[in-house]
Amino acid sequence: AQKITQTQPGMFVQEKEAVTLDCTYDTSDPSYGLFWYKQPSSGEMIFLIYQGSYDQQNATEGRYSLNFQKARKSANLVISASQLGDSAMYFCAIYRTGFSGGYNKLIFGAGTRLAVHP
Amino acid sequence: DTAVSQTPKYLVTQMGNDKSIKCEQNLGHDTMYWYKQDSKKFLKIMFSYNNKELIINETVPNRFSPKSPDKAHLNLHINSLELGDSAVYFCASSQDGASGRVEQFFGPGTRLTVL
Repeated sequence: AQKITQTQPGMFVQEKEAVTLDCTYDTSDPSYGLFWYKQPSSGEMIFLIYQGSYDQQNATEGRYSLNFQKARKSANLVISASQLGDSAMYFCAIYRTGFSGGYNKLIFGAGTRLAVHP
Repeated sequence: DTAVSQTPKYLVTQMGNDKSIKCEQNLGHDTMYWYKQDSKKFLKIMFSYNNKELIINETVPNRFSPKSPDKAHLNLHINSLELGDSAVYFCASSQDGASGRVEQFFGPGTRLTVL
């Protein structure tokens, strides 16, 4: 079975500073994908970044980068130059690849609430 | 254009009632999902449909019955609502794919409150 662990229930950061949100995972599947989603107070789920288990390079999307350490089974999200609008819940999620037909269910971690202070 | 839409956005009802939540996606995706987010923000898959066929049923009480009339729609009907059903229900969709990135796009959520 797959499992995601986010050990930081809450984090805060000063505006314009960088912050790392931790995510470790457990899976026996050789092929998998890792996602980070943002959930602001308005409630919607916003996709941020994706990392495939066979990707050679760490994923980056604008101010977001994923520090993927496969041997340690960690997929930490790094947000550079934090902005007030980054205050939200952040969820790490995993799914197994190599399957089609709707089997790509996401397993989510408990989330980390990030507060950006001015 | 909204990619994944859900109606209603808010639903307040009494215990014991039956209610439905509707979901539609205009992304041409093959697969749709229902997730439940509880009061502690924990998100869990409930169901997945692929081309109108039920693929995943995650030990959800049979008071919950998903229905997919076509691959663009996935509705959730809940019978005999209980207090514990109060949650935010998210619909999501993804393009079916055996490998590679299969990003799931989420609807805005439906906040269900059972009194």
